Amino acid sequence: AQTVTQSQPEMSVQEAETVTLSCTYDTSESDYYLFWYKQPPSRQMILVIRQEAYKQQNATENRFSVNFQKAAKSFSLKISDSQLGDAAMYFCAYRLPNFGNEKLTFGTGTRLTIIP
Amino acid sequence: KAGVTQTPRYLIKTRGQQVTLSCSPISGHRSVSWYQQTPGQGLQFLFEYFSETQRNKGNFPGRFSGRQFSNSRSEMNVSTLELGDSALYLCASSFDGGYEETQYFGPGTRLLVL
Repeated sequence: AQTVTQSQPEMSVQEAETVTLSCTYDTSESDYYLFWYKQPPSRQMILVIRQEAYKQQNATENRFSVNFQKAAKSFSLKISDSQLGDAAMYFCAYRLPNFGNEKLTFGTGTRLTIIP
Repeated sequence: KAGVTQTPRYLIKTRGQQVTLSCSPISGHRSVSWYQQTPGQGLQFLFEYFSETQRNKGNFPGRFSGRQFSNSRSEMNVSTLELGDSALYLCASSFDGGYEETQYFGPGTRLLVL
């Protein structure tokens, strides 16, 4: 069974600084998808960024980028120029690339606090 | 386009009762998945429906069930509620579950069992 581990329950960063959230996963599959989701307080979970395992290039979405190390089974999220609106729970998630299998396996989350 | 909606947003029930939660996916989406979120267990997959058929099921007891209607709206039911069923229940929708797709989450229904 696949597992996702987020070892940092809480992180904080000064506004405008850069922070990196860690995620490791365990799988015997060679092809899969990895995601970072953001869940602001009392608000809906939204997708931040996704990475396909077959792509060597790290995904980037504006201030958000990932460091995907397939051999190490590591998938960290870097947030540059942190903003107050980035404060949220961040979940790392894994999914198999099978059509019709929507199951996401989530990590336990990292609560990110932005210090003004 | 309206997002995923869930009703009700909050529920209080007592042990032994049953509850039904509703999820309306984004217009045009045919796949709906349900998750349970608790402080202790985190986010856990319950089940997924597509075209009124359950495609996948998580590791939950039979007290948890669901269904999907022809308009893609989905309901989940929990019978004989236990204190441990207190959680935020999230649903997510996508067009047809293709692996290139993004799942969009609703705001959740917060269930408190007393």
